[in-house]
Amino acid sequence: EVQLVESGGGLVQPGRSLKLSCAASGFTFSNYYMAWVRQAPKKGLEWVATISTSGSRTYYPDSVKGRFTISRDNAKSSLYLQMNSLKSEDTATYYCARQRTTTGYFDYWGQGVMVTVSS
Amino acid sequence: DVQMTQSPSNLAASPGESVSINCKASKSISKYLAWYQQKPGKANKLLIYSGSTLQSGTPSRFSGSGSGTDFTLTIRNLEPEDFGLYYCQQHNEYPYTFGAGTKLELK
Repeated sequence: EVQLVESGGGLVQPGRSLKLSCAASGFTFSNYYMAWVRQAPKKGLEWVATISTSGSRTYYPDSVKGRFTISRDNAKSSLYLQMNSLKSEDTATYYCARQRTTTGYFDYWGQGVMVTVSS
Repeated sequence: DVQMTQSPSNLAASPGESVSINCKASKSISKYLAWYQQKPGKANKLLIYSGSTLQSGTPSRFSGSGSGTDFTLTIRNLEPEDFGLYYCQQHNEYPYTFGAGTKLELK
C-alpha cells in the first residue's frame, strides 16, 4: 500500500525558514517523480514543486521559485521541501504527492501538514 | 501559465442523479486533464487522468470527456460517498495548474 506521511509543519514567523519532510513507503521511491502541492485555508490546490527521480531536475512555479527548494533522499525514501523567506501567503496545508513521471498528474497524496506563517 | 476555469462552483444533487462538472483551459492542453476528489480527513484521490482514463479503483459511474480546452467530469447514479470537492488539473505543461474546485453537496 502506497503511503506518504508529511511532517515538519508548524507556526513560523514571516521571513524565517522551515523544512518539510515526506516519508514514502509501499513503492519503489526512486522510480517516481515526486511533488509538493499546497492548499491555503478555504482555497484551491496549487502545485509548488516537482523533482525528478534522481533529483537532478527540479521545477517550481514563479510564486516560490528562489525561495523553496525540493530535494530527495532515495536511500531513505524521503522527500523534502526547504522553505525560506516565508510569507503570510505561504500559509497552507502542504501535500506530498507521487507524480506520474512523463505525464504530470498525481496518483497518490499524503494527508498533508499545516504551515502557518504569522508573527 | 494555463488558467483553468471550473464550473459550477457549487452543485447540489440527490443520490441516484447524474451531474456534470466542467473545466475550461485558457489554451489547448491536448488531452492532459486530471480530476481529483477531496474529502475531509482523507487523502486526495485521483479519479481520472489524460481526460478520460479512469485511475485504477475509480468506479465506472465516473467518466471524463473532452480535449483541447473543454473538459467534463460526469458522475452517473450518484452514491452518498461521491459528495465532496472536485478539482481539475492540467498536466500538459509546467506550471501545473488546478481549477478552483466544485463543491458537490447533498440536496
